[in-house]
Amino acid sequence: DVKVTQSSRYLVKRTGEKVFLECVQDMDHENMFWYRQDPGLGLRLIYFSYDVKMKEKGDIPEGYSVSREKKERFSLILESASTNQTSMYLCASSLWPTTGVTEAFFGQGTRLTVV
Amino acid sequence: AQTVTQSQPEMSVQEAETVTLSCTYDTSESNYYLFWYKQPPSRQMILVIRQEAYKQQNATENRFSVNFQKAAKSFSLKISDSQLGDTAMYFCAFMNLANSGYALNFGKGTSLLVTP
Repeated sequence: DVKVTQSSRYLVKRTGEKVFLECVQDMDHENMFWYRQDPGLGLRLIYFSYDVKMKEKGDIPEGYSVSREKKERFSLILESASTNQTSMYLCASSLWPTTGVTEAFFGQGTRLTVV
Repeated sequence: AQTVTQSQPEMSVQEAETVTLSCTYDTSESNYYLFWYKQPPSRQMILVIRQEAYKQQNATENRFSVNFQKAAKSFSLKISDSQLGDTAMYFCAFMNLANSGYALNFGKGTSLLVTP
């Protein structure tokens, strides 16, 4: 079974802190994604990566950065946490469509509260 | 950019009945995938069903089937013989195969409640 593991299920941080959300996948997937989920807004793409050290902005990258030093790990960084970044964060991974059947596999989510 | 619209924020169905969730999308691309994902209260996103745009035949997975109307850009999900375990948020998603990265664009979701 494909496993996408997020480092924390719940996290509480203070305004202004630098926050790291970690995601690891064990199936050698090329693509990795970070989404933010808010009630009534669905899932919105923050950043994605289609290879090591490659990253692309999604729809709402402001206030976030990412790091992908190894293929299996994709980190989301909140440079200076703010209360409007309180949300559920979901990590996902997938194969390139040319290398296999495509679906995105998701982690269990991190519910981040910024106080 | 592609947009995905789910016009039903909430729906309710009785156990053993059939329910249809609606999804429309907007794209100028011809090569893409469409997905329905389920998110139960445990928060784990699970793939329900997938449709490749070049396939005319509607996808089916056990009690779940889709009605894919490419010209109308419509992709509805039918759940037959609804079960209590089907209670969840359901998200429709679009993947453009012309993009590197192959990110999914999601709709806002439909909250489905299955009642006894």
